[in-house]
Amino acid sequence: AQSVAQPEDQVNVAEGNPLTVKCTYSVSGNPYLFWYVQYPNRGLQFLLKYITGDNLVKGSYGFEAEFNKSQTSFHLKKPSALVSDSALYFCAVRDRGGGYQKVTFGTGTKLQVIP
Amino acid sequence: NAGVTQTPKFQVLKTGQSMTLQCAQDMNHEYMSWYRQDPGMGLRLIHYSVGAGITDQGEVPNGYNVSRSTTEDFPLRLLSAAPSQTSVYFCASRPGQSNTGELFFGEGSRLTVL
Repeated sequence: AQSVAQPEDQVNVAEGNPLTVKCTYSVSGNPYLFWYVQYPNRGLQFLLKYITGDNLVKGSYGFEAEFNKSQTSFHLKKPSALVSDSALYFCAVRDRGGGYQKVTFGTGTKLQVIP
Repeated sequence: NAGVTQTPKFQVLKTGQSMTLQCAQDMNHEYMSWYRQDPGMGLRLIHYSVGAGITDQGEVPNGYNVSRSTTEDFPLRLLSAAPSQTSVYFCASRPGQSNTGELFFGEGSRLTVL
């Protein structure tokens, strides 16, 4: 069975400071990894994904994430946080094997950027 | 640019009532799915479909039915609503199995069961 852990329910960061939202995963094979963002009363929006290749993935709104196979982690990062980044962030994993593997989501991390 | 459209956005039911949450996508995606979102539990997969006429259960299928008669539509039916089904429901789609693509989500349907 695959799983995703987001160990922090909430992360607070001052505007302009770097931010990190943590994610670790467990799959039997090799993973596809995703980050999504959810603004209040909205659906989830895709931010970025790791499929293969470079371990550092760049996505929307200046976010990036680093795939670390040995630590089974895929932490989301941004060099300088904006107040508008305040939202709920979800990490998700999908097994790389053939077919329509389901996607498993973490429980979410609320990011609060303080002006 | 409609994407994934869910209706209704809000619904209040009494215990025992039935209803259908509608989901439609205009991107010709083969894969469609329903999730429920509950505080502290993230998103949990209810049912999914890999194409017209093909559906399967996810993690929490009990109390819900689905069908997929067309590529575009994937309705979720609550047969006899229970307070435990109070939640926010999201429909999501993505292209076919050879694609490494991300999910596209609707705006959600907030259901309260009294």
